[in-house]
Amino acid sequence: DSGVTQTPKHLITATGQRVTLRCSPRSGDLSVYWYQQSLDQGLQFLIQYYNGEERAKGNILERFSAQQFPDLHSELNLSSLELGDSALYFCASSAGQGGTGAQYFGPGTRLTVL
Amino acid sequence: GIQVEQSPPDLILQEGANSTLRCNFSDSVNNLQWFHQNPWGQLINLFYIPSGTKQNGRLSATTVATERYSLLYISSSQTTDSGVYFCAGRGNTPLVFGKGTRLSVIA
Repeated sequence: DSGVTQTPKHLITATGQRVTLRCSPRSGDLSVYWYQQSLDQGLQFLIQYYNGEERAKGNILERFSAQQFPDLHSELNLSSLELGDSALYFCASSAGQGGTGAQYFGPGTRLTVL
Repeated sequence: GIQVEQSPPDLILQEGANSTLRCNFSDSVNNLQWFHQNPWGQLINLFYIPSGTKQNGRLSATTVATERYSLLYISSSQTTDSGVYFCAGRGNTPLVFGKGTRLSVIA
């Protein structure tokens, strides 16, 4: 158990819908990262927050947005869903801003868009 | 950005065999991790190893930072070792993952 929690574990929805994925980092960790794992793209970094502020952005679509709240939990919002958004979404956390130190991954949310 | 190349892409082992997985980086990294993704999709941290050698039970890892590669050794493999092994590194970019080595251990 990494100490990172994600909800829900599974999500099935239809094209055009909007969903919210939730992540709670390990106790004491200030950075939260979101990753997408799809069959064709592999594991890709989406976005990082550090202590409530956006720190780095990767291959995140404009239809996707995220935020980190004062209690440090984070939410990833996916809107106008397409079939290609079906993937495993991971959240990770680390103590610092991410330059060094391990990232710890949650169990993931498996999103299926029908 | 950094490119991460893992080899071999696939590996089939008999239970009890040893194996070495390799990860090459196109540029220097100051953060290197190895992960095991089990058949249920969970990503499990194996090692945080930007340089040097570490051991944890039947697993060990060595990173030669100056030559931009890392090795993961699995000894006396068990069926529970099956899954995909990823290495990931970062320099001035976010963590970049390789495509993984898919390991199947057969009883």
